[in-house]
Amino acid sequence: GQNIDQPTEMTATEGAIVQINCTYQTSGFNGLFWYQQHAGEAPTFLSYNVLDGLEEKGRFSSFLSRSKGYSYLLLKELQMKDSASYLCAVRADYKLSFGAGTTVTVRA
Amino acid sequence: EAEVAQSPRYKITEKSQAVAFWCDPISGHATLYWYRQILGQGPELLVQFQDESVVDDSQLPKDRFSAERLKGVDSTLKIQPAELGDSAMYLCASSSAAGSEQYFGPGTRLTVT
Repeated sequence: GQNIDQPTEMTATEGAIVQINCTYQTSGFNGLFWYQQHAGEAPTFLSYNVLDGLEEKGRFSSFLSRSKGYSYLLLKELQMKDSASYLCAVRADYKLSFGAGTTVTVRA
Repeated sequence: EAEVAQSPRYKITEKSQAVAFWCDPISGHATLYWYRQILGQGPELLVQFQDESVVDDSQLPKDRFSAERLKGVDSTLKIQPAELGDSAMYLCASSSAAGSEQYFGPGTRLTVT
């Protein structure tokens, strides 16, 4: 199986930047996903990395280092609506395993 | 925009009763997944279908859980008998192919009393 670690909680101020780290140990790695999940709702896709480097999508960016088993999700210009859980998910042998999620609280 | 449909959205049942959840994936998506998400944890895969065939049910408690996708389109997940520890969100997701981006339905929140 996969060991996926991410912080439990983070708090930041509206307009600030927050970086959510994810480390993983797996064999057969073939991609890493980030999902956003608001309380009581289903996860929604944010980003996907399969090669090393940074993928940018508007206010959200995701980075991957396969040699280090490390990824981060960067949220810029935080808005109140960004308060949610952010799930790191590792694909190995075409099966997706999720971390426990990082709850981000954005304060005014 | 196409969406994954699930019903019911909420279900309260007593322990030892049977309960069933339904999922209709995005049209054309061959791969369908059922996940269980306990509060404060990430989704855990219960079963994965490729068309009508089960390709992974290693984490499905087969003594009480069953899943089917008879025509390779919609799917049903059943629990019989339900136990208190089954209280969770049950999420269905679909993708165009195994391993590609998954789209999640709104989930069924199950409470077992």
